[in-house]
Amino acid sequence: GQQLNQSPQSMFIQEGEDVSMNCTSSSIFNTWLWYKQDPGEGPVLLIALYKAGELTSNGRLTAQFGITRKDSFLNISASIPSDVGIYFCAGQLGSGGGADGLTFGKGTHLIIQP
Amino acid sequence: DAGITQSPRYKITETGRQVTLMCHQTWSHSYMFWYRQDLGHGLRLIYYSAAADITDKGEVPDGYVVSRSKTENFPLTLESATRSQTSVYFCASSDHEKLFFGSGTQLSVL
Repeated sequence: GQQLNQSPQSMFIQEGEDVSMNCTSSSIFNTWLWYKQDPGEGPVLLIALYKAGELTSNGRLTAQFGITRKDSFLNISASIPSDVGIYFCAGQLGSGGGADGLTFGKGTHLIIQP
Repeated sequence: DAGITQSPRYKITETGRQVTLMCHQTWSHSYMFWYRQDLGHGLRLIYYSAAADITDKGEVPDGYVVSRSKTENFPLTLESATRSQTSVYFCASSDHEKLFFGSGTQLSVL
């Protein structure tokens, strides 16, 4: 099946810094999703992208659907302590409720140093 | 409050015992899913269901059984638990575009 390469695996940053992470795939996706998981909780959807080249913001978060449809980027500006967690990308082939072809990256652990 | 709930939150069991993890959603979503999350593997799909009485295997179905007699419930059963099934299990439902996850069940098999 498809594989997503998510990088970096972990990030140690100072509060106030900007953060960038990305996912790449050898396959084309029709939808890219970005999730955040807080410790002890399930992943929560942050941003959904549906068109190649699309750039979408959600507060301090900005995500882009790559032109080639094989990658996506998530940026967090001016990080704050509550940004700590694991960020997952997910690529989806079809529109069958997520059943067909939803593939997750292995996550980026974001740690903010005081 | 509408949403997706999992129970129990934590479970400790012994090798060979049968364990059932419960999942309930109030959105009337057609699709429901079970994932397991392990260090180094991320989220892996165990089973999913497109509607009541319709279930399909995911990436790692061995050792698990699911049923979907009602749209809102999607229980996951480990028929004879093994240590390798120690994991955090997440249930999710979908509105055909996005997945919504429960808070997870942390299962330890001793």
